[in-house]
Amino acid sequence: EVQLVESGGGLVKPGESLRLSCAASGFSFSNAWMNWVRQAPGKGLEWVGRIKSITDDGTAVYAAPVKDRFTISRDDSKNTLFLQMDSLKVEDTAVYYCTTDRFWGQGTMVTVSS
Amino acid sequence: QLVLTQSPSASASLGASVKLTCTLSSGHSSYAIAWHQQQPEKGPRYLMKLNTDGSQRKGDGIPDRFSASSSGAEHYLTISSLQSEDEADYYCQTWGTGVKVFGGGTKLTVL
Repeated sequence: EVQLVESGGGLVKPGESLRLSCAASGFSFSNAWMNWVRQAPGKGLEWVGRIKSITDDGTAVYAAPVKDRFTISRDDSKNTLFLQMDSLKVEDTAVYYCTTDRFWGQGTMVTVSS
Repeated sequence: QLVLTQSPSASASLGASVKLTCTLSSGHSSYAIAWHQQQPEKGPRYLMKLNTDGSQRKGDGIPDRFSASSSGAEHYLTISSLQSEDEADYYCQTWGTGVKVFGGGTKLTVL
């Protein structure tokens, strides 16, 4: 059974940092391209970014609103995906989901408020 | 710019069928489209993907009541024999150059 379990969410102030993790199991994580998708309260789904598998060069790309502030990385030895979020803004408040193309985690809530 | 447009809301009666539409922006008529369901207070769930060659790949446990089709730039998710648990938000999604793009979602009400 595929499982994606996000953690690390919480309440932070504008300008602060937060690191999310996503523990993956039940599939070949090292071969998977992984994404982060977020959903602001009452809003739709917004793609945040993606990281390729290491064998496909392991590069990450980001949506414009988070580029240069967020960094996606992966540790294939631990089947874990990360999202480092720096210089957080109020508008980054959302539930953050770890996803493959076919599976979603349950999400972790990030609240940015002074 | 690659954009997916969905109607904000739709409704249909219990036991009936409904067809949700997702429209690709001008100049982007040949893209694979995936559909995701988000029931109230839950995370999204992958339903299926319609490839440009017409092949489909459903998610695990997705019933045959759900089907996808397309005509030009318009993509459709048809749900037949509507059940109360089908009341949810439905999002279409595609892949641009290195990016994922989501439609704004359609809120389906089952009457």
